Order: sequence, then structure tokens, then C-alpha cells
Amino acid sequence: AQTVTQSQPEMSVQEAETVTLSCTYDTSESDYYLFWYKQPPSRQMILVIRQEAYKQQNATENRFSVNFQKAAKSFSLKISDSQLGDAAMYFCAYRSAGQGGSEKLVFGKGTKLTVNP
Amino acid sequence: EPEVTQTPSHQVTQMGQEVILRCVPISNHLYFYWYRQILGQKVEFLVSFYNNEISEKSEIFDDQFSVERPDGSNFTLKIRSTKLEDSAMYFCASSRAPGVGEQFFGPGTRLTVL
Repeated sequence: AQTVTQSQPEMSVQEAETVTLSCTYDTSESDYYLFWYKQPPSRQMILVIRQEAYKQQNATENRFSVNFQKAAKSFSLKISDSQLGDAAMYFCAYRSAGQGGSEKLVFGKGTKLTVNP
Repeated sequence: EPEVTQTPSHQVTQMGQEVILRCVPISNHLYFYWYRQILGQKVEFLVSFYNNEISEKSEIFDDQFSVERPDGSNFTLKIRSTKLEDSAMYFCASSRAPGVGEQFFGPGTRLTVL
């Protein structure tokens, strides 16, 4: 079974600075997706960024980028120019992508990010 | 922008009572999910639903749980006889089709079992 580990229960960053959230995963599959979801105090899960395992290029969405290291099974999220609105719980998630594979998302325990003004 | 909606936002019930949580997935989506999040813990998969049948379920999804798509828009999760440990946030999600990566989540229903 796949597992996702987020080793940082809490992180903090100064507004306008850069922060990196860590995620590692374990799988025997070669084809999969990885995601970062944001959960603000409103508790709605919002997709931040996704990465297909077959793509070598790291995904980028505006101030959010990932460092995907397939061999190391590492998938970190970098937030640049942090804003107060970035304060939230961040979840790393895994999903199989192979034909007939599981559609379920497997989540890590989350990292609570605080942004200090 | 289309979004997944869920009702109610908060449900309080007595242990042993039946509850139905409702979701309206994004209209052109075909794959539906329920997840739950016990306070302070990770989000856990419950069940996925495609083509009017369950495609996958977790060990949490026992006989007390059922899902249904009663019409063309709603997707429901029923808990027949609630237990204290069912208290959690329940999230509905949908995706366009199998194999397409993104799942879009609703705002959640907070279920409190007394």
C-alpha cells in the first residue's frame, strides 16, 4: 500500500519570504500523480499543484513550485513571496495513474503553515 | 467557476440515528468520492463511485455506510446508525473521468455525534 509522510507538523514563514514543505512517499508503482492541497481555516480542500510522475519537469503554479525527486520519492512544495493568505494546512497526496489503478487519494498528515506579518 | 457543494455544513445527531450527507458534484464530472477527516488527523478515503456503482471502498466503509446517486445531480452518503467515532468532517469530491488527476473537493459537512 502507498504511504505519504509529511515530517513537519508545523512551519512558519515571514511574509514575503520563501518556505519549503517536505513530503516523501512510498510506492512500488511507476505511474502516479502527486498533489499538494491547501486547507485554510474554512476547511475546504483546494488543489494547489499537481505533478505527473512521468514528467521530469517540476510543476509550477505562480508562486508555488515543487521539487520532484522520483528516485528519492520526494515531493516538496516551495512557496515564494509568502502571503498572509497562504496560512493554512497543507496536505501532500498520492494517486495511482496506471490503467485500472486506484482512484483514491492517499494523504499525508499535513503541515500547518503560519505566515507572520 | 463550477464547484462541488455539500449540505448541510454542520449536522448534529444522536448516537444510533441515521444521517444523510448530501453533495452536488460538478455537473460534467463522472467520478465521485467521499473522504473523511477526524479532527486533527489526516484525510481518509471512504469510497469512490462511478457509473452508478461503487468502484472502490476502504475498510472504514463498512455496512453502516452506503452511497447513492438518486438523481442526475446529487450524490449522498448515508450512515445508518451513527457512532461517536463517526464524528468527523466529511468531504465529497468529484473528477471528470477515471484516470484524470484532479479531484475537486466540496467545503465539507461537519458531523457531530452525541
